[in-house]
Amino acid sequence: SQQGEEDPQALSIQEGENATMNCSYKTSINNLQWYRQNSGRGLVHLILIRSNEREKHSGRLRVTLDTSKKSSSLLITASRAADTASYFCATSRYGQNFVFGPGTRLSVLP
Amino acid sequence: GAGVSQTPSNKVTEKGKYVELRCDPISGHTALYWYRQSLGQGPEFLIYFQGTGAADDSGLPNDRFFAVRPEGSVSTLKIQRTERGDSAVYLCASRRGSGRGRIGELFFGEGSRLTVL
Repeated sequence: SQQGEEDPQALSIQEGENATMNCSYKTSINNLQWYRQNSGRGLVHLILIRSNEREKHSGRLRVTLDTSKKSSSLLITASRAADTASYFCATSRYGQNFVFGPGTRLSVLP
Repeated sequence: GAGVSQTPSNKVTEKGKYVELRCDPISGHTALYWYRQSLGQGPEFLIYFQGTGAADDSGLPNDRFFAVRPEGSVSTLKIQRTERGDSAVYLCASRRGSGRGRIGELFFGEGSRLTVL
């Protein structure tokens, strides 16, 4: 069974707007990662946040982690059409088995 | 090579046939993962190797599925007596480092799309 659950399942926004995706999980973790997948391609790592971190930034990406609520959010600022993709969170307890959620399909309209 | 390489990129087979999917990880990456992804779904964990041994094979759906990594590098996912429900994209990923406490990103290949007719 998948531990991570992304929300919303699909999101459609205009170019320049911000996109926020959420991820909830069930058991304790020691890190959470976000990945991006373009249609028909493999997944690409975006950002990793450890369980003792609350927020992390990378370029236009901002990730938060709330271990008390077992949730994370990914914010993409000033979105571009090229950001159109599926986004997945993946949780891991000891860097061994990574469990992915069902993903959020983001469409950025020009 | 520079990235994770998977072959074949596409495989069409008939129900009941045997299939092998190959994964060539990034050189030096000790951990190797197989996932299966159906259309519109997230990757589903199948098996994880640490070196030559399967550290966790709890995701293999049944005994028709088997994977090996004999020299700790290339891995082969083997599916016997394929069924239509096996149709999916099979993704391989590798990761540097091993063991508890070592956290690293997964590097994915482009996947092998399996279609069972």
